[in-house]
Amino acid sequence: DAGVTQSPTHLIKTRGQQVTLRCSPKSGHDTVSWYQQALGQGPQFIFQYYEEEERQRGNFPDRFSGHQFPNYSSELNVNALLLGDSALYLCASSLQTEAFFGQGTRLTVV
Amino acid sequence: KNEVEQSPQNLTAQEGEFITINCSYSVGISALHWLQQHPGGGIVSLFMLSSGKKKHGRLIATINIQEKHSSLHITASHPRDSAVYICAVSKGGTSYGKLTFGQGTILTVHP
Repeated sequence: DAGVTQSPTHLIKTRGQQVTLRCSPKSGHDTVSWYQQALGQGPQFIFQYYEEEERQRGNFPDRFSGHQFPNYSSELNVNALLLGDSALYLCASSLQTEAFFGQGTRLTVV
Repeated sequence: KNEVEQSPQNLTAQEGEFITINCSYSVGISALHWLQQHPGGGIVSLFMLSSGKKKHGRLIATINIQEKHSSLHITASHPRDSAVYICAVSKGGTSYGKLTFGQGTILTVHP
């Protein structure tokens, strides 16, 4: 089992562009959460998906959207990128009392 | 004030030393998590606690629900323990719902 897989690992985008990040959860995990971690900071909760629905959302603007597919994989979309969106984006999959984190996608906006 | 506060922010130790990292929180929680993050980003879940104490190898985690405080101890520290240790809490009915993270403690263990 590969655990939680995120792609791509690194990405460079220009201000105003749009980006899609992908997450494949650990086998059997039905819940996917996304976090943004700015350099030197703790992760901040973006949103969580369960049964293809957004179940909880953190304090992020509507430019941040997501999707969960029937196989539980998930995408994070960010529109109209800002320099401040540069961060490590982490995906975590969970099932009841177990959770695993991916290695993250390092997004740089220039 | 952050809902989750960790101390110290930075910790340097010599190999073999006993290490303690503290976490205080100000909200009701369903569970508290200790996580380890190495350079490059990947996060590993070390413990999930809702009461008492847990031990795994050289790592021990305790929580005092009344005092809203948790500690992570590392016995006989080793350079490979060097990492960022993060405390996080989950609120509401699920153990892995929205996690609120502390700022992390950067641990460096010298040989």
